[in-house]
Amino acid sequence: DAGVIQSPRHEVTEMGQEVTLRCKPISGHNSLFWYRQTMMRGLELLIYFNNNVPIDDSGMPEDRFSAKMPNASFSTLKIQPSEPRDSAVYFCASSSGRGSVNQPQHFGDGTRLSIL
Amino acid sequence: DQQVKQNSPSLSVQEGRISILNCDYTNSMFDYFLWYKKYPAEGPTFLISISSIKDKNEDGRFTVFLNKSAKHLSLHIVPSQPGDSAVYFCAASEEIWGSSNTGKLIFGQGTTLQVKP
Repeated sequence: DAGVIQSPRHEVTEMGQEVTLRCKPISGHNSLFWYRQTMMRGLELLIYFNNNVPIDDSGMPEDRFSAKMPNASFSTLKIQPSEPRDSAVYFCASSSGRGSVNQPQHFGDGTRLSIL
Repeated sequence: DQQVKQNSPSLSVQEGRISILNCDYTNSMFDYFLWYKKYPAEGPTFLISISSIKDKNEDGRFTVFLNKSAKHLSLHIVPSQPGDSAVYFCAASEEIWGSSNTGKLIFGQGTTLQVKP
């Protein structure tokens, strides 16, 4: 079974450039989550979609960040313009429900983003 | 304000012995708790979970204990194996029966477990 697929695995770009991270959730899952992992703050939820609709974006750090889910099999997280403090590992996860104990979230392998 | 705390950044145990990873939370509305394991360069993988209506859940070598009055949970691994060496994350979720919720998971900072052969 294919898991959550994220691309690219690594991204290095200069400050001010636009960055687009991509995620393909597990087929049949209706919830999708974007996380950011840093040494300082650990794993933080950025935004959550249910049935392609954004439900909770309270974790999105600022207007430079945006996320879309145009269909059930694809989501993007965009940073424009990027800043060095955005450097982190970004994870996408999906679940068949709301991510509760009976429907745990399945994570992709992440995108390691470095902004120079 | 960190609602889920893993106060031990690292833990080292000998192969065959018990590993105990601890997690504390502050939000009394949390109803579900999960443990995830993470290897380097991979995403977290679900390990075991527990609902607040239980105080123990067991799955093979892994057991999670929940003490609601103390707002504390722990993960026991017995016996520990070198392949268990990874970062372990505790996560909590608030489920409100009968009403909508975000399914939002709040993660702890993680504990790095090293199991020595």
